[in-house]
Amino acid sequence: QKEVEQNSGPLSVPEGAIASLNCTYSDRVSQSFFWYRQYSGKSPELIMSIYSNGDKEDGRFTAQLNKASQYVSLLIRDSQPSDSATYLCAVTTGNQFYFGTGTSLTVIP
Amino acid sequence: GAVVSQHPSWVICKSGTSVKIECRSLDFQATTMFWYRQFPKQSLMLMATSNEGSKATYEQGVEKDKFLINHASLTLSTLTVTSAHPEDSSFYICSARADRTPVYGANVLTFGAGSRLTVL
Repeated sequence: QKEVEQNSGPLSVPEGAIASLNCTYSDRVSQSFFWYRQYSGKSPELIMSIYSNGDKEDGRFTAQLNKASQYVSLLIRDSQPSDSATYLCAVTTGNQFYFGTGTSLTVIP
Repeated sequence: GAVVSQHPSWVICKSGTSVKIECRSLDFQATTMFWYRQFPKQSLMLMATSNEGSKATYEQGVEKDKFLINHASLTLSTLTVTSAHPEDSSFYICSARADRTPVYGANVLTFGAGSRLTVL
């Protein structure tokens, strides 16, 4: 079983809609959770971090964490074409970082 | 925020030569850095974990004699691709975790811009 699993997509949403990205992880001792965005040909950039259960909002982005279900999600409100990218879920136990394979998101104008 | 500089961003070399890629944390110390490789349209693949002052830990299937990693200081790790061949052509990305976590947030991993290697 992979440490971090994501639906690879592609996920397509119309401009202005809400994009919902999901991620599950297997290690219950995971401490910190991150969402990275990677544009084609570029390296990943951090967009959200979350450490405790519940929701964390930053602008159009909301991360949700449920440790009991070992589930973390990212919601993108008012999706823009510039949000089209691959979104990587990352989980760390403190020593190692585990990345999902990424979900490809396309926002259609 | 935390900045990681990776150099060179693009390199083309002949088969059989060696290429060195540098990864520097510019405004923080990083005892631990990570090296990844990514082929087109594929996910990140962790190659090795670089620890300052000790030997790197390589992932299964990664040849340590081919991909030499040196983490000589708290702000610099280097990856040398020795005797490069066309199949080594890829996008190599480093990342660093800040030692002083209260500054940038717990366990945040910052990526360099990546180095695209083409071996002719």
